[in-house]
This record gives sequence, C-alpha cells and structure tokens, in this order.
Amino acid sequence: QVQLQESGPGLVRPSQTLSLTCSVSGASISGDSYYWSWIRQHPGKGLEWIGYIYYSGSTYYKQSLKSRIIISLDTSKNQFSLNLSSVTAADTAVYYCARVGSGADVSFDYWGQGTLVTVSS
Amino acid sequence: SYELTQPPSVSVSPGQTASITCSGNKLEDKYVCWYQQKAGQSPVMVIYQDKKRPSGIPERFSGSNSGNTATLTISGTQALDEADYYCQTWDSSVVFGGGTKLTVL
Repeated sequence: QVQLQESGPGLVRPSQTLSLTCSVSGASISGDSYYWSWIRQHPGKGLEWIGYIYYSGSTYYKQSLKSRIIISLDTSKNQFSLNLSSVTAADTAVYYCARVGSGADVSFDYWGQGTLVTVSS
Repeated sequence: SYELTQPPSVSVSPGQTASITCSGNKLEDKYVCWYQQKAGQSPVMVIYQDKKRPSGIPERFSGSNSGNTATLTISGTQALDEADYYCQTWDSSVVFGGGTKLTVL
C-alpha cells in the first residue's frame, strides 16, 4: 500500500521560503516510473496544482508559480520536497503531496493527508 | 489557459441519482478524472480515464465524457456520498475544476 506523508513548518513568515517534505512508503520514488506532485488548497477553496517531478528528476511547474518553485527528490530517504520562495499571505493553504498514477492519463491515485501552512508575521 | 467549469452545488435525495457535470472546450479529446473530498479529508480518486473506477470505489460511481462535457454519475446516492467533487484533466498542465458540493437531502 502506497502512503505519502507531508511534513514541515506550519507557520512561515512573509518573504521567507516555504519548505515541505513528502515521505513515501510502499513505492520507490526513483525506481518506479511515476510523477510525484504537490497540490494545494486555499482555505475553503478548490484544488490548485503546483508542480511535479518525474522519477528521473525532470520537473514541471505551474506557469504562474514557476519563478518561485523548486521540487526535488531525495532518493536516499525516498522523499521529495517543495520549496516555495518569497511567500505571501496568498500562499496560505493546505499543501498535499500526491502521486500521478501509471495510466494513460494524468490523475492522482495516492494523496498525503495534507499539511496546513500559514504565512503570517 | 484551459478551464474546467463545474456547478457550485448539486442536491439529491437519498437513493436517487446525482449527476455532476464538468465542462471544457473539446473535453472529449482529453481524459477526465474525478475526486471526492469529504470535509477535513484528502481527495480520493473515484473515476479516472473518463470512466474507470479505481479498486475499492463502489459501482454506483460512474463517469462519461462526450463533446464539451464530462459527467460523474452517482446512482443510489447515499448520505456518505455527501462531499465536494472535483474534475481534473491535463492540458499542457494539470487543470482542476472549481468543485461541486454534493448535498444529500
């Protein structure tokens, strides 16, 4: 059974960098041909895709966030991470990590439980 | 950029059929999936590749995609189906619909 678990600070100061880690169990982030993704949900709002990283290390980011995002793999720990720089209150959201399934479409078959990140001074 | 449009809310009586639509330009040319999100929980995929059900998803959930509209249908709706539902596709990037709140009255 694949499981994902987000971790990181729940509070980030404005202009600082938001850093989150997703720990994966039940699958190898480097050995299997999957995309590993970050998705966020602003309070009371819908889902927003942030970006994903392929097992090879190739990355794909939402265009409007591209200048502030880095998604990376840590294969030794079977984790992947999100760094979002220069945060503002608009980045306050629940952040989910998720896996893109191996089918012909881009759909997210496993999700973490989500972690709330608040940007505030 | 590509957009998916969902009705904000849909109401259904227990035991009846609920239909939630998702509209986008030439949507039939793309794969659509659907997620269920109950209050305070992570989304769960209920339909992928337009009409396939992941393991463990009840048969009362079905999907279709034709023209500009994809539809999630829940037959024999139960109280436990009350949730927000999101459609999603890919068009140069991942695109989510705005979500539909399903109320089982």
